[in-house]
Amino acid sequence: AQSVAQPEDQVNVAEGNPLTVKCTYSVSGNPYLFWYVQYPNRGLQFLLKYITGDNLVKGSYGFEAEFNKSQTSFHLKKPSALVSDSALYFCAVRDSADRGSTLGRLYFGRGTQLTVWP
Amino acid sequence: KAGVTQTPRYLIKTRGQQVTLSCSPISGHRSVSWYQQTPGQGLQFLFEYFSETQRNKGNFPGRFSGRQFSNSRSEMNVSTLELGDSALYLCASSPSGASTDTQYFGPGTRLTVL
Repeated sequence: AQSVAQPEDQVNVAEGNPLTVKCTYSVSGNPYLFWYVQYPNRGLQFLLKYITGDNLVKGSYGFEAEFNKSQTSFHLKKPSALVSDSALYFCAVRDSADRGSTLGRLYFGRGTQLTVWP
Repeated sequence: KAGVTQTPRYLIKTRGQQVTLSCSPISGHRSVSWYQQTPGQGLQFLFEYFSETQRNKGNFPGRFSGRQFSNSRSEMNVSTLELGDSALYLCASSPSGASTDTQYFGPGTRLTVL
C-alpha cells in the first residue's frame, strides 16, 4: 500500500539558516512525489514535484527537493530560510502502479510545521 | 488563469442537517478531487470526479456524496451531519487526473457542526 511519512511534526530554524523538511515514502511501483505548503486558513499551495529524471527538483520560492530512490526519501530543502516560510508543509505521493479505483489518488503525510524565527 | 474557487468559505450547521459545498476548477481542468482535513486525521481523500463520473472514492460513509457537472464544476453533499464532520473541506483540480498531474487546491470550506 502507498504511504508517506513525515517523521518530524515540527521543525524550527533561524532565519538565514538552511532548512530541511523530511519525507519518506512507500509505493509498489515508481513514485510520483509532491510538496505542498499550507498557510493558516488557506488551501494547499503547490511547491514542486518529482516525476522522473534529475533527482534534484527546483520549485517555487527557492525551495528544492532531492529524490533518493535507495532511501525512499524526498526531502524538501531551502538554502536560506525566511520568516515568511513559516507554514505547514505536506509531502504527497502517487504510485505509478495504481490502477482502477486508486488511479490518480494522492496520499499525504501528516504534515510538518515549519517555524522560522528571526 | 483564475485558480480553484470554493463556496462558501465558512459554514456553520447543526447536527442532523445537510450541507452542499461547491467547487469551480481551473478553466480547462476536467478532474476534481475532494479532501477532508482535520487536526486528528490529517488530509483524507473523499472522492474524485472526471467527466461527470466518479472514478475514485475514499473510505467515507455514504452520507458523503458528490457530483460533477458538464462544465467540470463539482459539488459535494454531506447529509445527516455529525459533530465529527467539522473540518476543512478542500477541492483540487487537475487537467486529467493522471498520476503525473499536479493537483491545484482551492482555499477550502470551513465547516463547523454544532
